[in-house]
Amino acid sequence: QVQLQESGPGLVRPSETLSLTCSVSGGSITNDYWSWLRQPPGKGLEWIAYVFHTGTTNYNPSLKSRVTISIDTSKKEFSLNMISVTAADTAVYYCARGAGWYDHWGQGTLVTVSS
Amino acid sequence: QSALTQPASVSGSPGQSITISCTGTSSDIGAFDYVSWYQQHPGKVPRLILYDVSNRPSGVSTRFSGSKSGNTASLTISGLQAEDEADYYCNSYTSSTTSYVFGAGTKVTVL
Repeated sequence: QVQLQESGPGLVRPSETLSLTCSVSGGSITNDYWSWLRQPPGKGLEWIAYVFHTGTTNYNPSLKSRVTISIDTSKKEFSLNMISVTAADTAVYYCARGAGWYDHWGQGTLVTVSS
Repeated sequence: QSALTQPASVSGSPGQSITISCTGTSSDIGAFDYVSWYQQHPGKVPRLILYDVSNRPSGVSTRFSGSKSGNTASLTISGLQAEDEADYYCNSYTSSTTSYVFGAGTKVTVL
């Protein structure tokens, strides 16, 4: 059973960079798509980006200018970097397997943007 | 503003059937069978309950079913149970931005 676990700081200052990593266990990271999604407190889900094991990526156009997703298959990890964060980026960030539909999710990590 | 439109809330009594609609456009739901649905209980991780419009992942109850007509996808929950009380989100691929969009979610209340 594939398991995912997010890690990264829970507090980020405005204008700084948010960096998160997702560790994959219990299965292979190859031949699959891997995504980041987020959910602001009390609000709905938003897809951020996906990466394929080859490094192919796709981004939510509303976030594309600020976001980079990458994968390290040797470490069975994929990562998210988001620059120039504001309070509007405060959310629970989830990593998940898939692109278009997401069948395995991490537990989520709350990232608060505040000074 | 979400690209997909869902009713804010739907309610039903135990044992009844309810349907949640998810309306998009000819660039997303109307063009592709890439619609998925998620159930999320308060404070919990979203759970995939349908993909590609009507396919259920292993372990998901047959009480959940999906369909699509034109630009609108639907999730039907049959034999409503107390445990079905949750938020439900639809998701679709959209060719307008070659990305994926969610609905704002529907809160299901079991009366």
